[in-house]
Amino acid sequence: EDQVTQSPEALRLQEGESSSLNCSYTVSGLRGLFWYRQDPGKGPEFLFTLYSAGEEKEKERLKATLTKKESFLHITAPKPEDSATYLCAPSEGGFQKLVFGTGTRLLVSP
Amino acid sequence: KAGVTQTPRYLIKTRGQQVTLSCSPISGHRSVSWYQQTPGQGLQFLFEYFSETQRNKGNFPGRFSGRQFSNSRSEMNVSTLELGDSALYLCASSLGGEEPQHFGDGTRLSIL
Repeated sequence: EDQVTQSPEALRLQEGESSSLNCSYTVSGLRGLFWYRQDPGKGPEFLFTLYSAGEEKEKERLKATLTKKESFLHITAPKPEDSATYLCAPSEGGFQKLVFGTGTRLLVSP
Repeated sequence: KAGVTQTPRYLIKTRGQQVTLSCSPISGHRSVSWYQQTPGQGLQFLFEYFSETQRNKGNFPGRFSGRQFSNSRSEMNVSTLELGDSALYLCASSLGGEEPQHFGDGTRLSIL
């Protein structure tokens, strides 16, 4: 059975304190892995797509990496506006069928 | 560029009723997917439509159905509502292929 586990479930950081979020997955026929952020009352917002092990993508203070069994989202010098729930979603079979983890709730305090 | 639009934003129904939710994708997107989000289960895939054809389906009972129109707009229907159907229903559209999905802000369905 396909499984996606994200850790930690919740993370509280001080502004400027870097950290990493983990996404471990067992998905058959992986085509790609997507990262999203979700703010309260909103739908998920697309951040990155990773296609193969060893790939890295960066956007502002965020960097996503991928291995064969897990992905990391590194947050460098976070700001309060980075507070959100971060979701990872490998695609099963086709790219359009995503299997979401339950997310990491990140709170960045000033 | 307008994003994915879902209507209505909030809906209250009672057990046994049926409901139809609507999704207008980003212009030019032909793939529309639906997800159910609950605090306990997170986001779960319901189904995906591309050019009016259902291409993928998740593990939900037959009470959950959908369709897509020629203009790519999509509707999701849930019949014989149960208390456990209370959730945020999210629609996402994509160009298809390897392109990412872009989500609307959802319809929050409450069953009394």
